[in-house]
Amino acid sequence: GAVVSQHPSWVICKSGTSVKIECRSLDFQATTMFWYRQFPKQSLMLMATSNEGSKATYEQGVEKDKFLINHASLTLSTLTVTSAHPEDSSFYICSATGSATNEKLFFGSGTQLSVL
Amino acid sequence: GENVGLHLPTLSVQEGDNSIINCAYSNSASDYFIWYKQESGKGPQFIIDIRSNMDKRQGQRVTVLLNKTVKHLSLQIAATQPGDSAVYFCAETIGNEKLTFGTGTRLTIIP
Repeated sequence: GAVVSQHPSWVICKSGTSVKIECRSLDFQATTMFWYRQFPKQSLMLMATSNEGSKATYEQGVEKDKFLINHASLTLSTLTVTSAHPEDSSFYICSATGSATNEKLFFGSGTQLSVL
Repeated sequence: GENVGLHLPTLSVQEGDNSIINCAYSNSASDYFIWYKQESGKGPQFIIDIRSNMDKRQGQRVTVLLNKTVKHLSLQIAATQPGDSAVYFCAETIGNEKLTFGTGTRLTIIP
């Protein structure tokens, strides 16, 4: 299957700092990328949908100024958690799809964010 | 999508036995369903999918059944192995738009 790489795998930061998470499609062009958040023992909650070259579409209740998403190329999307607080600690997962994947969704390995 | 839920949050199965994981969905308009496997600390891994014009699809050791009448989806894993231990999510979508995930079932394989 297609490969989606997510980096970093885990990050610890101080409250008030910003953290950037990268999501890359390694062997296909990702026209659409999705960002999810997952709390322990819970399901994935969609945060936003990102189409290459356009602004991300955020789900209801997700602050777009706090969770900045950039999808500047067909192989890279970034999620920046700005002014992170302890309640932002979570497992963040990206997924990507494109014509080469037959519109199937492939997921990154996730990023565990811990805000102290 | 609307509510996509699972009947059982946990399931323990003896190694070598078959396991069945169930999922209920409420949006009759959903036309594409996927099962994912998620191991601890990792992203979801695609297992198998099925479209609404089918009621059964088989893969390697896995079978997905779709009953549109009662809005029910199931994942059958044959001859379970220790590596099958994980959380399994069903997900639904309409027209390949954003996925709605179920709550997940934790499958534990007993040696």
